[in-house]
Amino acid sequence: DVKVTQSSRYLVKRTGEKVFLECVQDMDHENMFWYRQDPGLGLRLIYFSYDVKMKEKGDIPEGYSVSREKKERFSLILESASTNQTSMYLCASSWGLAGAQETQYFGPGTRLLVL
Amino acid sequence: GENVEQHPSTLSVQEGDSAVIKCTYSDSASNYFPWYKQELGKRPQLIIDIRSNVGEKKDQRIAVTLNKTAKHFSLHITETQPEDSAVYFCAARGTIFGAGTRLFVKA
Repeated sequence: DVKVTQSSRYLVKRTGEKVFLECVQDMDHENMFWYRQDPGLGLRLIYFSYDVKMKEKGDIPEGYSVSREKKERFSLILESASTNQTSMYLCASSWGLAGAQETQYFGPGTRLLVL
Repeated sequence: GENVEQHPSTLSVQEGDSAVIKCTYSDSASNYFPWYKQELGKRPQLIIDIRSNVGEKKDQRIAVTLNKTAKHFSLHITETQPEDSAVYFCAARGTIFGAGTRLFVKA
């Protein structure tokens, strides 16, 4: 059974703080993804990674960066949190070679509030 | 950029009726079209998917149809039950999601 975990379910941060969201998967998946989910907008891709130390921008990368030092772990970093980054953040992973379009397995999400 | 349009945004049906959700995509390179169900407070989970070499796929009460020429695909749920109430998301390429459809099934 695929397991994707995220470091926090709820997080409250102040404007300007540096925020780290961590995601870990235990299925040896090559691909990992970060999305944000907002009402009426669905899931929007922030960044993804096809391999260790590799990253690609998604549709809304501004204000975010990522790190993938190990295959099982993918971190999302908000360099200087702003109120418009208040959202639900979902991590996902999938198997397959780079570019493969495959089923994604999601983590439980982190609800981030930036004050 | 590439996008997926999903309709309707809200759908309310009586238990036992059918529900249909439609999505239109723009990226011709898309060849994988999953549907995810997200119950309140939970993570999205795959319920069915289809690849571009197939026109229709069925799994018990759930079916998906794909029209690659017209670039649209649909989710069909028959004999709906209250536990089908959730938000449903379509996606193209696996990473371009629609805005979601909130389905209410009234007992």
